[in-house]
Amino acid sequence: KQEVTQIPAALSVPEGENLVLNCSFTDSAIYNLQWFRQDPGKGLTSLLLIQSSQREQTSGRLNASLDKSSGRSTLYIAASQPGDSATYLCAVSRLNQFYFGTGTSLTVIP
Amino acid sequence: EAGVAQSPRYKIIEKRQSVAFWCNPISGHATLYWYQQILGQGPKLLIQFQNNGVVDDSQLPKDRFSAERLKGVDSTLKIQPAKLEDSAVYLCASSLEGYGYTFGSGTRLTVV
Repeated sequence: KQEVTQIPAALSVPEGENLVLNCSFTDSAIYNLQWFRQDPGKGLTSLLLIQSSQREQTSGRLNASLDKSSGRSTLYIAASQPGDSATYLCAVSRLNQFYFGTGTSLTVIP
Repeated sequence: EAGVAQSPRYKIIEKRQSVAFWCNPISGHATLYWYQQILGQGPKLLIQFQNNGVVDDSQLPKDRFSAERLKGVDSTLKIQPAKLEDSAVYLCASSLEGYGYTFGSGTRLTVV
């Protein structure tokens, strides 16, 4: 059974710092990996989707990488802002089955 | 494209009452999911539909939860009777194979 782990569980950084969130998975036979952002009490907003044949995806200040062979993905956030404060979740999928990580709670301090 | 629509956004009920949530997925998305997310935890899959058939309902508490997907499009999730521990955000998502999830904004349920 696929297991997805995110480290760290919580992270607090001063505004302007660059930061990296980590996601690891045990079964490399995945179709894609997706990063989400979730604000308290709200739904999940998709940030980036990386297909299994891709190595990375970029959107604005966000860059996500995927290394299937090692079962790892990273989400890089450049020049962090207080508005980036949220919980970040990764999910891996195969055959329309999705497995979520445990999430990283990010706080960006003004 | 329109997103995944969910209603209501919020619901407060007393324990032992019943409640229903509605979800309209993105047009053309064959797969629909209901998740329960308790505060501070990751989403937990309750049920997955492929068109109007159930793919996975292994974590659905079937003594009190039920779900259906009418004609393979809209879906409803019902809780009867509700317990205090059912207080959570209920998330609906849909997907097209290989293209990732799209989530609705969720329904926050409070059972008092």
